[in-house]
Amino acid sequence: EAQVTQNPRYLITVTGKKLTVTCSQNMNHEYMSWYRQDPGLGLRQIYYSMNVEVTDKGDVPEGYKVSRKEKRNFPLILESPSPNQTSLYFCASKLGSGANVLTFGAGSRLTVL
Amino acid sequence: KNEVEQSPQNLTAQEGEFITINCSYSVGISALHWLQQHPGGGIVSLFMLSSGKKKHGRLIATINIQEKHSSLHITASHPRDSAVYICAVPHYGGSQGNLIFGKGTKLSVKP
Repeated sequence: EAQVTQNPRYLITVTGKKLTVTCSQNMNHEYMSWYRQDPGLGLRQIYYSMNVEVTDKGDVPEGYKVSRKEKRNFPLILESPSPNQTSLYFCASKLGSGANVLTFGAGSRLTVL
Repeated sequence: KNEVEQSPQNLTAQEGEFITINCSYSVGISALHWLQQHPGGGIVSLFMLSSGKKKHGRLIATINIQEKHSSLHITASHPRDSAVYICAVPHYGGSQGNLIFGKGTKLSVKP
């Protein structure tokens, strides 16, 4: 089944403890992206990648890192999480850099205490 | 830099009604996305359109590139259509990489 898989789905952690949210897709999509969703602010893009070894900042990249070493994986790294990074995170992918539909992961709810 | 406005913010309808949700943006674009987020939180892409009109079942999406406006219509609405509908456009017009999202329209369809 074609899908985007995120892990973990739920995580409670403490300030400063490094964590990684993984994202993997099995559709051979070039484009992958991370978003966060907060009440009243909607979805906002964190980082995106147009292809392997190519990453770019979205609107809210501060406090996050990403890497795209292989096509299928696009992990989101929080080096030193803070409470303002408590949010619902979504990974998505699509074919190519052009106008194609996005496929979203199920979301990862992160709480930083 | 694009700005996106959706209206209405909230919408309550009776089953069977025709629904229209609007999305306006400020910078010319090559394509626009319509997304659906169910109460459980999952997001599904409904349409990506760059001109004219697309139809999928009871859902119809239209876009007017000159007016910088898109509409999502639901015919014969059903309680299972209750969800948040979100439009998204490229932040800087051309490139599809960097997207900006509307705040969403929360639709509730009563039986």
